[in-house]
Amino acid sequence: KAGVTQTPRYLIKTRGQQVTLSCSPISGHRSVSWYQQTPGQGLQFLFEYFSETQRNKGNFPGRFSGRQFSNSRSEMNVSTLELGDSALYLCASSLGPGQSPLHFGNGTRLTVT
Amino acid sequence: ELKVEQNPLFLSMQEGKNYTIYCNYSTTSDRLYWYRQDPGKSLESLFVLLSNGAVKQEGRLMASLDTKARLSTLHITAAVHDLSATYFCAVEGNDMRFGAGTRLTVKP
Repeated sequence: KAGVTQTPRYLIKTRGQQVTLSCSPISGHRSVSWYQQTPGQGLQFLFEYFSETQRNKGNFPGRFSGRQFSNSRSEMNVSTLELGDSALYLCASSLGPGQSPLHFGNGTRLTVT
Repeated sequence: ELKVEQNPLFLSMQEGKNYTIYCNYSTTSDRLYWYRQDPGKSLESLFVLLSNGAVKQEGRLMASLDTKARLSTLHITAAVHDLSATYFCAVEGNDMRFGAGTRLTVKP
């Protein structure tokens, strides 16, 4: 079974630009969560999607948004990039909400210059 | 708001020694997870603890959960270099909340 796939693996953007990250969950998994990982703040929850609906959202500004498609694939978008958005963005999938554990992808490393 | 605290944050130990990593959390939950992350890699699920008193063991690692004390421990027995990694505990509330991680270095 293929794992969680995130694309691209690396991105370099400049301040003010926007970026879209993609996540394909494990086949059969319908819940997708996104996390931001930085050395200073650790792993912070961004949002969770299930059946194309956002179930929860973390404490991030509205510049961070996401969506989930009918095939459970998910995208997250960050608009008006700031230097502080530089981070590793991790996507995780599970069978459904509360159906542990999370299975993580390898992440997208975003660098904002 | 659910808070998850791990300690220690950094742990350097010699091969063959034993040590315990602690994970405290602030609100009631009976679902706790331990993950491992190697440098430059993603997170790998180690243990899923779903009830009070749950104990899981895999090789030199053993995890336990005390929901009344809101405490989980990850015990390392006779450490080997291959265990060097960052270990995270995570607690399920409205979302999955992670601790800051414990960076473990095992030295020969």
